[in-house]
Amino acid sequence: AQTVTQSQPEMSVQEAETVTLSCTYDTSESDYYLFWYKQPPSRQMILVIRQEAYKQQNATENRFSVNFQKAAKSFSLKISDSQLGDAAMYFCARRDYGQNFVFGPGTRLSVLP
Amino acid sequence: GAVVSQHPSWVICKSGTSVKIECRSLDFQATTMFWYRQFPKQSLMLMATSNEGSKATYEQGVEKDKFLINHASLTLSTLTVTSAHPEDSSFYICSARESGGAFVEQFFGPGTRLTVL
Repeated sequence: AQTVTQSQPEMSVQEAETVTLSCTYDTSESDYYLFWYKQPPSRQMILVIRQEAYKQQNATENRFSVNFQKAAKSFSLKISDSQLGDAAMYFCARRDYGQNFVFGPGTRLSVLP
Repeated sequence: GAVVSQHPSWVICKSGTSVKIECRSLDFQATTMFWYRQFPKQSLMLMATSNEGSKATYEQGVEKDKFLINHASLTLSTLTVTSAHPEDSSFYICSARESGGAFVEQFFGPGTRLTVL
């Protein structure tokens, strides 16, 4: 099975500090997309950031950035200047072109005041 | 981004009854809709994929006679849990995708919490 792995079930970060969430994946495709989704207590899935595999440049969205290592099949999420509202479950996901999402097991992030 | 709604947001029912959950794309036409199930502290598990006007494709292990999916229009898909039992209690999330393009964004609904007594 082509899987997505998140090795950190739980992480915590001090407010205003930086945290990195890890994600590795398996695929035989060369064309695919990678995502980080946030699921706060409301359970609404919120897209945090997206990366196209053919792009070498790492995606950035304000305080959120990724470190995409295609050869290593690694896709980590860095959250800078962490805020209390960042506390949530974070899911890494892969989607091959024209196919469905494959989600990782999630990382629960706590932000400490 | 586009909006996907679900109704109801939560439902409690007695064992043996059927429950219908609606998923609507509010400002776009969704040729493909997806239904996920999420148990507490777990990830999303894809149950089925439905394309407008055709039968849903169910993932392995998902009972199609128990989880009836209808995608009759480009803005509405329904999931009916038939003869619900306590083990069907879960959080159900729908997702919708437009057609066309090299990459198509997929949007998630807010989910429906089902509790079967």
